[in-house]
Amino acid sequence: AQSVAQPEDQVNVAEGNPLTVKCTYSVSGNPYLFWYVQYPNRGLQFLLKYITGDNLVKGSYGFEAEFNKSQTSFHLKKPSALVSDSALYFCALTNAGKSTFGDGTTLTVKP
Amino acid sequence: GAGVSQSPSNKVTEKGKDVELRCDPISGHTALYWYRQSLGQGLEFLIYFQGNSAPDKSGLPSDRFSAERTGGSVSTLTIQRTQQEDSAVYLCASSPHWEGATQPQHFGDGTRLSIL
Repeated sequence: AQSVAQPEDQVNVAEGNPLTVKCTYSVSGNPYLFWYVQYPNRGLQFLLKYITGDNLVKGSYGFEAEFNKSQTSFHLKKPSALVSDSALYFCALTNAGKSTFGDGTTLTVKP
Repeated sequence: GAGVSQSPSNKVTEKGKDVELRCDPISGHTALYWYRQSLGQGLEFLIYFQGNSAPDKSGLPSDRFSAERTGGSVSTLTIQRTQQEDSAVYLCASSPHWEGATQPQHFGDGTRLSIL
């Protein structure tokens, strides 16, 4: 069985501050990990992925994520948050054709 | 280019009726996925297709749910004898190749289904 946990339902940060959205996972074998963002009444948009190689992956809109195998984590980060980053963020794990998503974290960036 | 298209965008129907949801993936994408997103919830995986075949149907919530894909393109998700708990947003996604699922998924904007 595979699972994804996003321990925080909500993250609030001030504009210009760094942000972190947490994700941990559980899977047998090598994980394929993804981050997606969802704006109201829209589908999910791909931000970045980790398949293999460098543990720090960079993605769209200045986001990056660090894969940590020992901690089974894949936290999403951004050095300086923007108000426009406010949205719902999903961490996802894909293995053997099955995709498992976390429950999502609502990020609110206040001016 | 065109993204993943889902229709209808909204559907309101009475309990007990059948509904059919349509997904038109990005041209050339061989993998297609269906998910259900309830209000305030994460995504529930329903089914995926490799071409026209669905190797894993275990995510379908009950035998009232079925899905098919023809011509390696358009997919339909059918819910028979709808119940109020079927109310949700149904999302479709496609990706370029199977390749061990290393490709990101491209999502449509979903069909918001409301069962009265």
